Amino acid sequence: GESVGLHLPTLSVQEGDNSIINCAYSNSASDYFIWYKQESGKGPQFIIDIRSNMDKRQGQRVTVLLNKTVKHLSLQIAATQPGDSAVYFCAEGGGKLIFGQGTTLQVKP
Amino acid sequence: GAVVSQHPSRVICKSGTSVKIECRSLDFQATTMFWYRQFPKQSLMLMATSNEGSKATYEQGVEKDKFLINHASLTLSTLTVTSAHPEDSSFYICSASSGGLPYEQYFGPGTRLTVT
Repeated sequence: GESVGLHLPTLSVQEGDNSIINCAYSNSASDYFIWYKQESGKGPQFIIDIRSNMDKRQGQRVTVLLNKTVKHLSLQIAATQPGDSAVYFCAEGGGKLIFGQGTTLQVKP
Repeated sequence: GAVVSQHPSRVICKSGTSVKIECRSLDFQATTMFWYRQFPKQSLMLMATSNEGSKATYEQGVEKDKFLINHASLTLSTLTVTSAHPEDSSFYICSASSGGLPYEQYFGPGTRLTVT
């Protein structure tokens, strides 16, 4: 069945370091992938998206990489800041969004 | 732009009662709205998709008679949890789409429901 999953439930990084959050998906027909940030008690916040016909997209301090060969998606955050601490979800877009299980990013000062 | 609000942000109700949650798109017309449920430390699970003026489409395993969804206008959708039980306690999140791509959704801040 369809599933979008994450490799690690928690990632702890030092402030200023780069963070890499990974995601695996199983539906090769998905044509759109999105990363969301969710702070405690709040709704998801859009970070960046990528279409299936691309392999890389950059935003402000963030980069998403898509490897369709191994069905892998990653989110790179440069110079991680304390405000980046949150749960990060990847989601697979087709007719509807399918969310992965989430990775908690902890930024140590 | 693209702001979605939810009301209330938190609600506590007694077991057996019903509670209504509102989802509003404040600065755009939402032809489609989505309702998700999120249990602690878990992911968002889609409950249903509603299009303005038509019946909601529920995901497998979601009881349509228990979770009543109304999308009567292009800016408002409501979710009513009927005969609530403690296991319905969860974080309910709505999102709205302006009719573009279905994955271009704008999320509300969520409603924390606690059933005692």
